[in-house]
Amino acid sequence: KQEVTQIPAALSVPEGENLVLNCSFTDSAIYNLQWFRQDPGKGLTSLLLIQSSQREQTSGRLNASLDKSSGRSTLYIAASQPGDSATYLCAVRPWDYKLSFGAGTTVTVRA
Amino acid sequence: DAGVIQSPRHEVTEMGQEVTLRCKPISGHNSLFWYRQTMMRGLELLIYFNNNVPIDDSGMPEDRFSAKMPNASFSTLKIQPSEPRDSAVYFCASSFVGGVQETQYFGPGTRLLVL
Repeated sequence: KQEVTQIPAALSVPEGENLVLNCSFTDSAIYNLQWFRQDPGKGLTSLLLIQSSQREQTSGRLNASLDKSSGRSTLYIAASQPGDSATYLCAVRPWDYKLSFGAGTTVTVRA
Repeated sequence: DAGVIQSPRHEVTEMGQEVTLRCKPISGHNSLFWYRQTMMRGLELLIYFNNNVPIDDSGMPEDRFSAKMPNASFSTLKIQPSEPRDSAVYFCASSFVGGVQETQYFGPGTRLLVL
């Protein structure tokens, strides 16, 4: 069974600092990996999706890397802003359809 | 597109009552997923439909839970009878399985409280 771990569980940084969020998974036979953002009381918003054949994906200030062999992905958020405060979840999809989610990292960016 | 639409957004009911949650997926998507989120267990997949057909319902906790997808634009998740331990946020998500990326798009969720 795929186990997805996100460390740290919570993170607080001052505005402008770069954020580094980690995700690890136990089974490297994945189809893709997706990073989501969840605001309090809201649904999940997809941020980036990395196919198993890719090493990274970028969107604006966000960059996600994937090292399938070591079972790791990292989400980088450059020059953090208070609006980046949310919970970030990593989800791994094997070669079927079932996403396995991590517990998330709750980020607070202090103004 | 309006995204995935769920109703109701909030539901408070008493133990033993029937609860029906509704979902309208994104037009053109061929797959629909129901998830449950709790503090203790995180996000759990309950059931997956592909082309309106239930493919895997192994995540449905008990016979009290049932889900239907009568057409490509509508799905329901029903709990009968409801119990306090069913209190959670229920999400519906849709995607196009077989496409390039297969990103799952989530609805805003239904917050269920069973008293």
